Amino acid sequence: GENVEQHPSTLSVQEGDSAVIKCTYSDSASNYFPWYKQELGKRPQLIIDIRSNVGEKKDQRIAVTLNKTAKHFSLHITETQPEDSAVYFCAAHSPSGTYKYIFGTGTRLKVLA
Amino acid sequence: NAGVTQTPKFQVLKTGQSMTLQCAQDMNHNSMYWYRQDPGMGLRLIYYSASEGTTDKGEVPNGYNVSRLNKREFSLRLESAAPSQTSVYFCASSEALAGGYEQYFGPGTRLTVT
Repeated sequence: GENVEQHPSTLSVQEGDSAVIKCTYSDSASNYFPWYKQELGKRPQLIIDIRSNVGEKKDQRIAVTLNKTAKHFSLHITETQPEDSAVYFCAAHSPSGTYKYIFGTGTRLKVLA
Repeated sequence: NAGVTQTPKFQVLKTGQSMTLQCAQDMNHNSMYWYRQDPGMGLRLIYYSASEGTTDKGEVPNGYNVSRLNKREFSLRLESAAPSQTSVYFCASSEALAGGYEQYFGPGTRLTVT
C-alpha cells in the first residue's frame, strides 16, 4: 500500500553542524513533497517543498533533494541553531493515490548548544 | 485574517459519547482536511474535501463522519467515541487538492476518550 518511511526517528547535532533527514515513498505517481516543522504543542508549519519535476530546492539554510528513480527525498539543514529543535515531518502527495497525502512518522531534531 | 481555526481546543469524552469538532478557514481555500496525530505515527488523513459539496475517505475514516457545511467550514463527527480515538486532531486547508499547494493547519484539538 501507499507508504512513506522517514529516518531517523531522533537526531541530535551540535549547534552549527548539519542535519539530514531522509524519506522514502512507495507510490511512483507522487508528485509533491512538502516538509513540515512542528514545535512542541504547536501546529505543523510548512518549511520547504519540492515538486517532482525539480531535483533540488534551497531556501537559506534549508534544502530538499529529490531522487525520483530511487523514490526518496531528503531535508538538509545547515548551520543548525537551537531554534531548529523540533519534530520534522515529510509527506508525499499522489493525485491518483487513495489517501492523497501520506506523512512520515517524524524526526525529533535536537540541536545542542 | 485568522487562517484556520478549530474548536474546541480540549475535550474529554466518555466511551460511547458523541461530539463534533468544528473547523473554519478564512483564506477562501477550496480543499479541507482532517488529520489525527498519534505519538510515533505522524499525521494520518481521516477525511478530506476537495471542494465544496464533496467529501472522501482518507487513510483512517472508520468511526468518523464529516460535513462540508460550506466553503469555509468542515466538521468532523465522532458518533460513538472509543478510547482508540484519543488523539490530537488537526484540520487543514489548501487552495486546491492538487500537489503544490501548501496546507495550512489549525491549532489542533486534543481529545481524550475514557
